[in-house]
Amino acid sequence: DQQVKQNSPSLSVQEGRISILNCDYTNSMFDYFLWYKKYPAEGPTFLISISSIKDKNEDGRFTVFLNKSAKHLSLHIVPSQPGDSAVYFCAPSPPSGAGSYQLTFGKGTKLSVIP
Amino acid sequence: NAGVMQNPRHLVRRRGQEARLRCSPMKGHSHVYWYRQLPEEGLKFMVYLQKENIIDESGMPKERFSAEFPKEGPSILRIQQVVRGDSAAYFCASSAADPQDTQYFGPGTRLTVL
Repeated sequence: DQQVKQNSPSLSVQEGRISILNCDYTNSMFDYFLWYKKYPAEGPTFLISISSIKDKNEDGRFTVFLNKSAKHLSLHIVPSQPGDSAVYFCAPSPPSGAGSYQLTFGKGTKLSVIP
Repeated sequence: NAGVMQNPRHLVRRRGQEARLRCSPMKGHSHVYWYRQLPEEGLKFMVYLQKENIIDESGMPKERFSAEFPKEGPSILRIQQVVRGDSAAYFCASSAADPQDTQYFGPGTRLTVL
């Protein structure tokens, strides 16, 4: 039972263009949504997050959009750079006090930014 | 400022042997989490520990797996009598005072069971 789906296993984008990574979830109890980035042979690195009370959060080149009614979020990277090439994981968590530390990871999307 | 450290990075065991995976959290962090990533899957929560306490082990297999976080020293994830299906990457994460704080991950231990 996949609660978090990242339906695109891979994505290739030209350097300088926008990368859009998508994530769908089924558990309406998820309250806080994180994106992690992972390079080969390394652990996931926290990238950006968004609370369910917001629909957008921006940090430099990275913006996350949340559509609660559609149970969908997306990560936009603009402009994309070769160093952004990595696997990106969507990781929602339940509300505070309800095992909120239990991150539920999607399978990831491998982003390749072509110079 | 060292991040989360895990060792060994790679561990090879034969079926039936024991595997011990170690995790040292970031300095000042008192919450430790273990996740497992099977091939072609996302990371799955296994267990959440604080010093000398297991807070939530709902993601741990009921048999052969155990975890501890002693007063002194690293957190240990122990797998007894390993089987091929235990082959995976095991990641440890830590957070500061509040379990809702951001979790910072170590580089992982890749366990291969022959």
